[in-house]
Amino acid sequence: DVKVTQSSRYLVKRTGEKVFLECVQDMDHENMFWYRQDPGLGLRLIYFSYDVKMKEKGDIPEGYSVSREKKERFSLILESASTNQTSMYLCASSTATRGGGNTIYFGEGSWLTVV
Amino acid sequence: AQTVTQSQPEMSVQEAETVTLSCTYDTSESDYYLFWYKQPPSRQMILVIRQEAYKQQNATENRFSVNFQKAAKSFSLKISDSQLGDAAMYFCAYRSAYGQNFVFGPGTRLSVLP
Repeated sequence: DVKVTQSSRYLVKRTGEKVFLECVQDMDHENMFWYRQDPGLGLRLIYFSYDVKMKEKGDIPEGYSVSREKKERFSLILESASTNQTSMYLCASSTATRGGGNTIYFGEGSWLTVV
Repeated sequence: AQTVTQSQPEMSVQEAETVTLSCTYDTSESDYYLFWYKQPPSRQMILVIRQEAYKQQNATENRFSVNFQKAAKSFSLKISDSQLGDAAMYFCAYRSAYGQNFVFGPGTRLSVLP
């Protein structure tokens, strides 16, 4: 089974802190994603990576950056956390086979509270 | 850009009954994939069912089936013989055959009443 592991399940950080959310997948997937999940808004894409050191902005990249130094690992960075970044963050991965029919696999999510 | 709409923020169903969750999407493409994902409380999101747009036959997975109406851009999920374990958030998602990204709807929270 595909496993996507997010390093922290629950975090509480102070405003202005730098926050790292780590994600590792074990299925050699090319694509990795960071989504933010908020009630009534569903999942919104923050960043997407299709290869090592490659990234694309999603719908809401402001205030976030990402790093993908190894194929299996994709990190989300909040350079200076703010209270409006309090949310659930979901990491996901998928293959890049042509046709697009491959499903996406999710981690368990990281609940971040910024105080 | 593609969008996915789920017009029912919350639904409830009696155990053993049938419920249908609605999803509509907007796209100018002809080749794409549609998905329903389930997110149980405090648990990982998992795939429920997938539909290829080029297939006319509706996908089924045990108690889960879809009604795919391509012309109407509608993709509803039917859950038959509802069980308590079906209680979850359900997300409809779209993926272009030409891209790598997934677009999700806002979700429908399903409650199953004993």
